[in-house]
Amino acid sequence: QVQLVQSGADVKKPGASVKVSCKASGYTFTSYYIHWVRQAPGQGLEWMGIINPRGGSTDYAQKLQGRVTMTRDTSTSTVYLELSSLRSEDTAVYYCARGDRYSYYDYWGQGTLVTVSS
Amino acid sequence: QSALTQPRSVSGSPGQSVTISCTGTSSNVGDYNYVSWYQQHPGKAPKLMIYDVSNRPSGVSNRFSGSKSGNTASLTISGLQAEDEADYYCCSYGVSYKFLFGGGTKLTVL
Repeated sequence: QVQLVQSGADVKKPGASVKVSCKASGYTFTSYYIHWVRQAPGQGLEWMGIINPRGGSTDYAQKLQGRVTMTRDTSTSTVYLELSSLRSEDTAVYYCARGDRYSYYDYWGQGTLVTVSS
Repeated sequence: QSALTQPRSVSGSPGQSVTISCTGTSSNVGDYNYVSWYQQHPGKAPKLMIYDVSNRPSGVSNRFSGSKSGNTASLTISGLQAEDEADYYCCSYGVSYKFLFGGGTKLTVL
């Protein structure tokens, strides 16, 4: 069965960077895009960006340009999200989700809580 | 870019139908048939309910249906059940801001 398993919760200080992993299994890793979506406490969903595991190409949300980097390791079927210059507003649950290029996210990871606090 | 506009809350009694609207612009909802809907229970990851405006993934109840008119998409849930109580989010692809979510709608089953 399709599974996306994310790394555990993390606490960072303002200005630091965080790296979250998402390991895929149960399907051909290079056949689907991976999106990253975050959700601040009590808030809605926010799309962060997309990576094509086949070639590694990425597309990021405009507001995160310059602070976000998405990479993949095809040997381990793992996608990584790195967010730098962290601020308190980046405190959120971060989800990876398998999806189509334009259309949907059909399987989601369990979420990773990242807390930014001094 | 502001999020797509959804009502903050809707409610209905068991067995009734409810409709949740999702209003965007001609740059996203109005111009693309890439509207999807997600159900999220507290503390859980979202679940895909509808994609490409009106398509239901395998395993999703046919009580859930989607439609679109102009810049507004809608999710209708018929035969409400207690387990349908959750937050619902719409999402649309758009040329400038790639993917936009709605602010979310809390469905209460009375």
